[in-house]
Amino acid sequence: NAGVTQTPKFQVLKTGQSMTLQCAQDMNHEYMSWYRQDPGMGLRLIHYSVGAGITDQGEVPNGYNVSRSTTEDFPLRLLSAAPSQTSVYFCASSYSTGSKNIQYFGAGTRLSVL
Amino acid sequence: KQEVTQIPAALSVPEGENLVLNCSFTDSAIYNLQWFRQDPGKGLTSLLLIQSSQREQTSGRLNASLDKSSGRSTLYIAASQPGDSATYLCAPWNYGGSQGNLIFGKGTKLSVKP
Repeated sequence: NAGVTQTPKFQVLKTGQSMTLQCAQDMNHEYMSWYRQDPGMGLRLIHYSVGAGITDQGEVPNGYNVSRSTTEDFPLRLLSAAPSQTSVYFCASSYSTGSKNIQYFGAGTRLSVL
Repeated sequence: KQEVTQIPAALSVPEGENLVLNCSFTDSAIYNLQWFRQDPGKGLTSLLLIQSSQREQTSGRLNASLDKSSGRSTLYIAASQPGDSATYLCAPWNYGGSQGNLIFGKGTKLSVKP
């Protein structure tokens, strides 16, 4: 199993450009999430999905779109990049068995918006 | 809304010391709590998951305890090594509408000096 794979690892954008951060998992997990990590702010939830075709907003969803057409993929789209979106983005997938919920994280995408 | 606090924010110790990292959370209705390790510039690696019905969970030199009623968890690292240097994050999980998502503390940055 490759686990959770994120691409690209690094990206530099100009203000106003759009792009898609890719996330794929091969563990057949129902739940997938996107977080951003900023210095002093910790990890904050952007969007999440509880299964194919179902998505919902997290704590900081503005400026981002997601879709979940398959169980494996959960791309994050930046519609019009802003310097405030400079951050490290992590994708995670998880499964639940009873009272257990174990999350697996990708290696992250480091995004700079100039 | 769940809020997570980790104390201390940073810790520097000489090699060989036993140490304790603290995590507190405001909503005690959790199903489990996960401890993660993050190396600089890397993603998150799950260290331990402790279920709400458990008091302790051990993996090698790591021991996590959970006092759900008081909203506290501790991560005990025995005989610390320079390779333990990393940021440690705790994340409780509350089952609910956003199932599958974790709320993270800001972490404790640990430095173990040779």
